[in-house]
Amino acid sequence: EADIYQTPRYLVIGTGKKITLECSQTMGHDKMYWYQQDPGMELHLIHYSYGVNSTEKGDLSSESTVSRIRTEHFPLTLESARPSHTSQYLCASILTNTGELFFGEGSRLTVL
Amino acid sequence: AQKVTQAQTEISVVEKEDVTLDCVYETRDTTYYLFWYKQPPSGELVFLIRRNSFDEQNEISGRYSWNFQKSTSSFNFTITASQVVDSAVYFCALSPHNYGQNFVFGPGTRLSVLP
Repeated sequence: EADIYQTPRYLVIGTGKKITLECSQTMGHDKMYWYQQDPGMELHLIHYSYGVNSTEKGDLSSESTVSRIRTEHFPLTLESARPSHTSQYLCASILTNTGELFFGEGSRLTVL
Repeated sequence: AQKVTQAQTEISVVEKEDVTLDCVYETRDTTYYLFWYKQPPSGELVFLIRRNSFDEQNEISGRYSWNFQKSTSSFNFTITASQVVDSAVYFCALSPHNYGQNFVFGPGTRLSVLP
């Protein structure tokens, strides 16, 4: 069972609000990822990190930002949410010696 | 460039039928990993299998089996005697041995198993 946690699971907010989606893993994994996914559709990599103080943008352009101050924590922030940000956001980390990408349960964001 | 193709967008079968989900990949790497993940309606992604590129042995786990053929760049997934609980979206994925950002997912195949 993976020990990677995302909060909140569901969030409905108004346009213009600032939000932070939390992601924490207790497995000591160095590499962590954020994916954006509309339900049942393709996963799009929006951010990744190879370790503390390392963050990179992924393939899909995103107005969100991330930080990696601690190994276990990789929050994603939207400074001003818009309806186009409505989606599911999946956090993941990787166990290098098995190659298994562990996913959190996802945060479903709706921006009105 | 790396790419994963899952040509079947949606498949519907009746319970107890066997079903095969296709996955074809492209990569210039000589060593890589292939994966299958299951995403049930609840939304989380569940790891099913990882296959190393130099291990072409087929694998069976209960009702699940995987057929890896390097010659055709395919990594197909078969569910035998399907059950309603198998209904989900299934993703095939590819990564180089050093992972990095190049963890590439296919577009997914939505499987519906009808009672």
